[in-house]
Order: sequence, then structure tokens, then C-alpha cells
Amino acid sequence: GENVEQHPSTLSVQEGDSAVIKCTYSDSASNYFPWYKQELGKGPQLIIDIRSNVGEKKDQRIAVTLNKTAKHFSLHITETQPEDSAVYFCAASGWGQFYFGTGTSLTVIP
Amino acid sequence: NAGVTQTPKFQVLKTGQSMTLQCAQDMNHNSMYWYRQDPGMGLRLIYYSASEGTTDKGEVPNGYNVSRLNKREFSLRLESAAPSQTSVYFCASSSPSRGNTEAFFGQGTRLTVV
Repeated sequence: GENVEQHPSTLSVQEGDSAVIKCTYSDSASNYFPWYKQELGKGPQLIIDIRSNVGEKKDQRIAVTLNKTAKHFSLHITETQPEDSAVYFCAASGWGQFYFGTGTSLTVIP
Repeated sequence: NAGVTQTPKFQVLKTGQSMTLQCAQDMNHNSMYWYRQDPGMGLRLIYYSASEGTTDKGEVPNGYNVSRLNKREFSLRLESAAPSQTSVYFCASSSPSRGNTEAFFGQGTRLTVV
């Protein structure tokens, strides 16, 4: 089955700085890569996703890049704000199932 | 639009007790999932249902059973709870037939087995 690895497990940045979270996957059949944000006491919510036929996608301060050859994808958050503090999960999906990374706890220091 | 609804939100069980976690979605999704979330281990798939009437084991199915009652509802049963099943459980749904669209999650059930 698919194996998704995510780094780092914790990340602290100063407000206004950028944050980068990286994931790798193992199954070349995976073709959909969503990123989820989980706030305390809540379920994960999709913040951005990318499909295997696209190399980069942006949505305001958030961007995701995908390198299919190397089987890795990354989340970039620019101009971080305190409300960006949360746990972020990457995932890979190929046949309807979703395989998640172990999560990154992001803290934005005001 | 409620999305994915899980009940209960919190539960404490004694070792050996049984219980059923309920999940319902109102988005007409074909696929439904049960995950457990433990510190440092991310979200691990317990069971998966691609459509009404079908279920498949995920990564960590031991100690659990599921029922896809209809297209809307997917329940998770613990027949004899163990302390190792203390976790936060999430139900999710999606429609992969429309091209691997996002999975929508419920708010979670925090289960403690003592």
C-alpha cells in the first residue's frame, strides 16, 4: 500500500515568515494530493489540493508543489499569521482511499 | 448542510464493554471511511466503504467491525473495548468517482477505554 512521510513534525515560525512542510509518497499510482488543516478539537479541513497533472497550485497565501518524478510534494504558507497555527496533514490518494502523513504542528509566534 | 455528523462526541468505556460509533453524511457521497488519530501517528484508516453494501479493511482493522447501513450511514463497532482503542475517531466521506475529490471529515469522537 501507499506510504506517506511528512516532515517536520513540529515547526515554529515568526509571524510574517514563511512555513514549508514536505511530504513524500511511495505509490506511483497516487494521483491526488490534498492538504488538511486541523484546529484543536475539530476534524481536518481541506485547505488546498493538487492533482498529478499539475506541478504547482496557489490560493492566496498558500501554495502546493508536486514533483511526480521524485514522489514528493510540499505546502508553502507565506506571510504567516497566528491563525495559521494548527496541525497540517498531507495525504495521497489513488484509488479512492486516502493515506495520511503523521502531521506537522505549526506554531506562528506573534 | 450538515456535512458529516458523528455521534457521540465523547465516550468513556470500561474494558470489555461494547459500543457503536455512528456516522452519517448528507452529501450523497459513495465512499465513507473510519480513521483513528493517535498522537504522532497521524490518521490511520480502520475501514473503508467504497459504496453501499461493500466494506474493506484498512491499515488497523483489528478489534473493529463496520456496517454500511445505507448510502448515508457508516457505523463502527467495538465489540470488546481495550485500552489500546483509546483514541479520537473520525468518519469521512468522499466521491472518488468524480475524480478523487476531497474527503470531508466529521468533528470526531473522543473515546477513552479505562
